[in-house]
Amino acid sequence: TQLLEQSPQFLSIQEGENLTVYCNSSSVFSSLQWYRQEPGEGPVLLVTVVTGGEVKKLKRLTFQFGDARKDSSLHITAAQPGDTGLYLCAGFRDSGNTPLVFGKGTRLSVIA
Amino acid sequence: GAGVSQSPSNKVTEKGKDVELRCDPISGHTALYWYRQRLGQGLEFLIYFQGNSAPDKSGLPSDRFSAERTGESVSTLTIQRTQQEDSAVYLCASSLVFRIGELFFGEGSRLTVL
Repeated sequence: TQLLEQSPQFLSIQEGENLTVYCNSSSVFSSLQWYRQEPGEGPVLLVTVVTGGEVKKLKRLTFQFGDARKDSSLHITAAQPGDTGLYLCAGFRDSGNTPLVFGKGTRLSVIA
Repeated sequence: GAGVSQSPSNKVTEKGKDVELRCDPISGHTALYWYRQRLGQGLEFLIYFQGNSAPDKSGLPSDRFSAERTGESVSTLTIQRTQQEDSAVYLCASSLVFRIGELFFGEGSRLTVL
């Protein structure tokens, strides 16, 4: 059973379109992180959200943490080919001394 | 170096052979993690080390997998009697403190078992 479910798994859109990817769980997380991974490289952190209901903006990217701290979303406005990559959500569970767990990711392709 | 360094970057081996993968974390980072990423998939936790505490081995898929870390520096992940299902990218990451802040990843070691 996957602790963090990401949707959609694959997304192919035209340059300039908007998109939202989702990260859902039945567990509560003390914080959630979003990473972006390009081929042949390790994931790189985009943002960390820690407070329920928190919204963070990073240029054209908007991240939201659910009120109950069980889910998160990433919205990209006016997508560009440079946004292409694998987007991974990851979280530290609220209970226990557990490491960062990852979702399976959303593979985004932005076509010029 | 400034980042997490992993070697080898690519390893092709025959089924049944042992392999050793190395990770050199960022200096001063007390926590070190190993993850496995199968083709097109997310990251699967394997093991983490935090300071001098006993490592959390709960993610290791079988007793063919083991890992060591020398103090707060280099770590090696060893896979004995490799199987084809072990083929994956093995990613190492480090962080300043366990469960706080960002994980910094290396570029990974791509293992192919023939």
